[in-house]
Amino acid sequence: DADVTQTPRNRITKTGKRIMLECSQTKGHDRMYWYRQDPGLGLRLIYYSFDVKDINKGEISDGYSVSRQAQAKFSLSLESAIPNQTALYFCATSDLGTGSEELFFGEGSRLTVL
Amino acid sequence: QKEVEQNSGPLSVPEGAIASLNCTYSDRGSQSFFWYRQYSGKSPELIMSIYSNGDKEDGRFTAQLNKASQYVSLLIRDSQPSDSATYLCAVKLGGGADGLTFGKGTHLIIQP
Repeated sequence: DADVTQTPRNRITKTGKRIMLECSQTKGHDRMYWYRQDPGLGLRLIYYSFDVKDINKGEISDGYSVSRQAQAKFSLSLESAIPNQTALYFCATSDLGTGSEELFFGEGSRLTVL
Repeated sequence: QKEVEQNSGPLSVPEGAIASLNCTYSDRGSQSFFWYRQYSGKSPELIMSIYSNGDKEDGRFTAQLNKASQYVSLLIRDSQPSDSATYLCAVKLGGGADGLTFGKGTHLIIQP
């Protein structure tokens, strides 16, 4: 089983719908991140969290919200999806204890907004 | 805007040759540097990390860092068709920035 699990893996939705992408991890890491990847634009940070009570905006947070329900769970919501939010979304974790910034990625969630 | 720049490619290299991938970054205070490999439709996986100037070798991979020139590279020796992928350079920027900032990636093609 993957250490960082994302659900759903694929989702097609319509403009204006609310969508939630979920991420859970068994690595015991404190830090969790949501990135989106678009062709030609690379990976861009949406939100990140260092613990349950800590939520921080990344480079492109507009149109998104997050919830850190537990140390192991971090969900990303699109309150009213729009077509330019069509992208591949990755959850990632890192371990505060090691002092390394290495990211461990989930398998990705491909979202299509029609 | 603090940036991480990579040539998008594609970079085509014959099998068995050395593939050289380059990355520059704009923030002189950057501290940690990573190379990730990403196959199409898959998640990025860490290949190398490097934190101090010089070379770091791991099997067929060598990462090189030159902080004065703000330049980090990845060399792949004896390139194999399975090395064909997109290689992402990621940087931990200075100034208290959180997370990693990624380049757009270089698409590498190893020709059999």
